[in-house]
Amino acid sequence: DAMVIQNPRYQVTQFGKPVTLSCSQTLNHNVMYWYQQKSSQAPKLLFHYYDKDFNNEADTPDNFQSRRPNTSFCFLDIRSPGLGDAAMYLCATSTRQGALSEQYFGPGTRLTVT
Amino acid sequence: AQSVAQPEDQVNVAEGNPLTVKCTYSVSGNPYLFWYVQYPNRGLQFLLKYITGDNLVKGSYGFEAEFNKSQTSFHLKKPSALVSDSALYFCAVGYSTLTFGKGTMLLVSP
Repeated sequence: DAMVIQNPRYQVTQFGKPVTLSCSQTLNHNVMYWYQQKSSQAPKLLFHYYDKDFNNEADTPDNFQSRRPNTSFCFLDIRSPGLGDAAMYLCATSTRQGALSEQYFGPGTRLTVT
Repeated sequence: AQSVAQPEDQVNVAEGNPLTVKCTYSVSGNPYLFWYVQYPNRGLQFLLKYITGDNLVKGSYGFEAEFNKSQTSFHLKKPSALVSDSALYFCAVGYSTLTFGKGTMLLVSP
């Protein structure tokens, strides 16, 4: 089945130690998104790619970076994780840019910072 | 700035009864409106969307939602709840990117 895959499902990192979360998709969608979801809060968009075009949300901290080496893969890099970065990170895809298209979500990676 | 409010953290309903999960939004113009559902250990799944046209939108699993422009609401409804409908429901709104509500946990008791 076509899907959005996130690895790992659970990630533990130390305060200040760089960490990378990965997302892959078999849907061949042009757009990939990264959301941060803290406990009992709404998913918050960090950035998205339309093909290779990177779109950063204005309030996304500089500590968060992303790479999309090809259509299938997208990575979220947290350069120096703080305790406040502990959250569920959701990857999503859609066929085209803009809110018109529904998004397909992966199961998420839960990040713990110790 | 666009925002979404889901005023209830949790909605409890007995199986077979109708359910409503509330959503109101604050954004100018005519945005796109969505409902997503999240089951345990799963990603968010698309349920339905309103783009334009008929105010009553039908979606997956027997769910529907009613768009009310004057009240800026987009409440999710189902005529007869199932235990398997128990999950976390998110309302979302936007034009270019989506803003999500914080979610409402729906618990359907047997």
